[in-house]
Amino acid sequence: DGGITQSPKYLFRKEGQNVTLSCEQNLNHDAMYWYRQDPGQGLRLIYYSQIVNDFQKGDIAEGYSVSREKKESFPLTVTSAQKNPTAFYLCASSIAGWGNHYEQYFGPGTRLTVT
Amino acid sequence: GQQVMQIPQYQHVQEGEDFTTYCNSSTTLSNIQWYKQRPGGHPVFLIQLVKSGEVKKQKRLTFQFGEAKKNSSLHITATQTTDVGTYFCAGQAAGGTSYGKLTFGQGTILTVHP
Repeated sequence: DGGITQSPKYLFRKEGQNVTLSCEQNLNHDAMYWYRQDPGQGLRLIYYSQIVNDFQKGDIAEGYSVSREKKESFPLTVTSAQKNPTAFYLCASSIAGWGNHYEQYFGPGTRLTVT
Repeated sequence: GQQVMQIPQYQHVQEGEDFTTYCNSSTTLSNIQWYKQRPGGHPVFLIQLVKSGEVKKQKRLTFQFGEAKKNSSLHITATQTTDVGTYFCAGQAAGGTSYGKLTFGQGTILTVHP
């Protein structure tokens, strides 16, 4: 089955620790995205990558980092510099990047709780 | 930057009633997409509108794109309990520095009472 996988589904961390969220896709999509979802705020873009070995900051990139070394993988690291890291994190992919009118396919999400 | 506003934030209906959510962009859009997120799930693509004034239907769902390509609506006729979830619009900027960027609205949470 083709799709996007995110692991783990639930993640708990202590404040001050960095944590990396996994996102893998086998759809052969060029573009991948990370969103953060908080109640009442919709989806906010953290980082995006339109092609392997390239990525750009989204609207709320502070305290986060990413890499795109392989086409199918786009891990997100939530660093200790992120002031409010507790949220639901969604990874998505599309056939190609912006300007091409392609829909985005979302993974099941990772719910991160930092205490 | 581009903003996409969606109203209402919440909507409670009795099963069988109609439901509408509205989406307004601060800038002209090249296209608009609609997604549905079931409780506890992830957003799933429903449809994309590209042309000015476009209307598309999916069974009981009707999607409209405004003439100025700055607003859109989703109307559900005779809601069912399976319609429960959050409906998001997402607009792609038509130009400027945000060209092609997909910006999501805040979503409308629909509750259907049987």
